Amino acid sequence: GAGVSQSPSNKVTEKGKDVELRCDPISGHTALYWYRQSLGQGLEFLIYFQGNSAPDKSGLPSDRFSAERTGGSVSTLTIQRTQQEDSAVYLCASSPWGLTYEQYFGPGTRLTVT
Amino acid sequence: AQTVTQSQPEMSVQEAETVTLSCTYDTSESDYYLFWYKQPPSRQMILVIRQEAYKQQNATENRFSVNFQKAAKSFSLKISDSQLGDAAMYFCAYRILIQGAQKLVFGQGTRLTINP
Repeated sequence: GAGVSQSPSNKVTEKGKDVELRCDPISGHTALYWYRQSLGQGLEFLIYFQGNSAPDKSGLPSDRFSAERTGGSVSTLTIQRTQQEDSAVYLCASSPWGLTYEQYFGPGTRLTVT
Repeated sequence: AQTVTQSQPEMSVQEAETVTLSCTYDTSESDYYLFWYKQPPSRQMILVIRQEAYKQQNATENRFSVNFQKAAKSFSLKISDSQLGDAAMYFCAYRILIQGAQKLVFGQGTRLTINP
C-alpha cells in the first residue's frame, strides 16, 4: 500500500514569505505527527494530531507556525513570514492510535529560506 | 526533562564486522517504547528495531539487536556482519504517552560509515 507522502519535496522561498507544507498519511491512520530536522540535528517534535484535533501543540517554535488537519486525513503545516532559521527538513509521520504502534515517516520536505 | 543522548556523532566499521551504537535516555515514565531508526541519504526514516520497556528480553531483528538496561536507562544497538547498505544516520528515540498525547523524543543521531 501507499506510504506517507509529502509535498513539495523541496521548497525554496524568500525570507518573509509564507509557505505551506502538505502531508498525506497512510489511509486509516488516525494519528499524525510533524517533526523538524535541522541540518546535522535530530528530529524535533512540532505537533501531533489525533483525528482532527491537536492535543499537543507544545513543540511549535513560534506563533508563525500553525497546522491543521481536515477530514482526519491530509495535514498542512503553515509557516508565516519565514525566517532563515526555519530552513530545515520537515518530516511527517502517521500511525494508528495507540502506544504500541510505530510511526511511519514520509520522505520530508526540505525548506530553504533565502 | 525528557532527553535522549547519543554520545557518538560518528562511527565507522569494516564491512562484515560488528559495531555498537550507544544511547542513553532520561524519563520519569514507567511505560514507554524505545526505537532505533535509520535515515539514509534519501531522508526516509526507517524503523530498525523497537523495545517495549516492560519487556526484559532484548529485541532482535536479524543482524540488529539491542542491549536494553532499564535501570541504567541505556539502549544500545548492535549491528552484526555490517553491510555497505547499513551506512546511514541512526537515531535512538523513545515514545511516551502524556495526557493522551504521544511524544517521540529523538537523540542527535550517529552517522555510521561502512568501510569496504
